[in-house]
Amino acid sequence: EAGVTQSPTHLIKTRGQQATLRCSPISGHTSVYWYQQALGLGLQFLLWYDEGEERNRGNFPPRFSGRQFPNYSSELNVNALELEDSALYLCASSLLNNYGYTFGSGTRLTVV
Amino acid sequence: GENVEQHPSTLSVQEGDSAVIKCTYSDSASNYFPWYKQELGKRPQLIIDIRSNVGEKKDQRIAVTLNKTAKHFSLHITETQPEDSAVYFCAASLPDTGRRALTFGSGTRLQVQP
Repeated sequence: EAGVTQSPTHLIKTRGQQATLRCSPISGHTSVYWYQQALGLGLQFLLWYDEGEERNRGNFPPRFSGRQFPNYSSELNVNALELEDSALYLCASSLLNNYGYTFGSGTRLTVV
Repeated sequence: GENVEQHPSTLSVQEGDSAVIKCTYSDSASNYFPWYKQELGKRPQLIIDIRSNVGEKKDQRIAVTLNKTAKHFSLHITETQPEDSAVYFCAASLPDTGRRALTFGSGTRLQVQP
């Protein structure tokens, strides 16, 4: 069984640009979660998508947005990038009735 | 919103000793508390979880305890081994998300000295 896959692995952007990160959940998982892990810090909840809809979002500005496609894959978009957006962005997926996440390997976003 | 505090930030033990990591949460409506282990350069992996209707859960050398009244929960690792060295994150479910979305603690870096 393929795990949660994220792309790209690394992404370097200039301040003010937009970044798009992608996530493919485990087959059969309908929920996708996005977390930000800044260097040396814990995981901060960004967004939760289920069945194509945004179910909940964390305490992040509106320039962090995303969507979930009919095949349950998801995109995270970060507009007007700031230096402090540099972090590891982790995607996770879960089954509807299973509360344990399976995380992807992450996308390391560097804003210069 | 939910806030999770985790202590200590670093923990060094000798192989064979026990390790305890403690977390407190702020929202009494949280009802699901998982623990994740993240080895260097790898993704976090779920190692054990507990729901609010249970006070303790064990899985081999790992146990988690929950005190709902005090709003704290702990991870206990017995007979530690070098491969237990990693960063451990506690988490609490965000209310009104059906235990789905989580707030994580800041992590504990456990180092097991051989």
